[in-house]
Amino acid sequence: GEDVEQSLFLSVREGDSSVINCTYTDSSSTYLYWYKQEPGAGLQLLTYIFSNMDMKQDQRLTVLLNKKDKHLSLRIADTQTGDSAIYFCAESIGGSQGNLIFGKGTKLSVKP
Amino acid sequence: GAVVSQHPSRVICKSGTSVKIECRSLDFQATTMFWYRQFPKQSLMLMATSNEGSKATYEQGVEKDKFLINHASLTLSTLTVTSAHPEDSSFYICSARDSRALEQYFGPGTRLTVT
Repeated sequence: GEDVEQSLFLSVREGDSSVINCTYTDSSSTYLYWYKQEPGAGLQLLTYIFSNMDMKQDQRLTVLLNKKDKHLSLRIADTQTGDSAIYFCAESIGGSQGNLIFGKGTKLSVKP
Repeated sequence: GAVVSQHPSRVICKSGTSVKIECRSLDFQATTMFWYRQFPKQSLMLMATSNEGSKATYEQGVEKDKFLINHASLTLSTLTVTSAHPEDSSFYICSARDSRALEQYFGPGTRLTVT
């Protein structure tokens, strides 16, 4: 079955880069997503990458995809205290209408 | 970006009663809406997928008679938790997707507490 794995915690200092890693098992995944969830709130889509891409950059966010290893990462440059949140990796199966399978989320703590 | 609202944001109800949660897409037509449930410190679990005008498709293990989903219009879906029990206490999140879009836009979630 489908499974998405993430490490549960990451702590960085303000100004450093954060790298959040994710592995998935379904090789037919078409899109992979990163969502941010702040305490008590819903999910905010940060970025997504199509499975035939290796990298996507959007301002401070860089997504790297290694399709061979089924490994996805999210790099946040110049991490700020406002970036403290839980970050969810998700894969979309079944094409553009497919459902999302989420990882358990990585809690990012940014220390001043 | 597209906006999805949920109402109420927080509800406390007594065991045995029913609770309705609304999910609205505010600036786009949502041909498909999803309902998720999130347990503390855990990931989101998809409960069901609903397409406008048709019956919802429930994930394995989700009781369709307990979690009633109605997607009567392109901007509104409702989830009714019937005969709620304390174990139904959770954070319920909806998302909506336009048929032309790749993204799912999530609502802010509803915290349900059953006493």
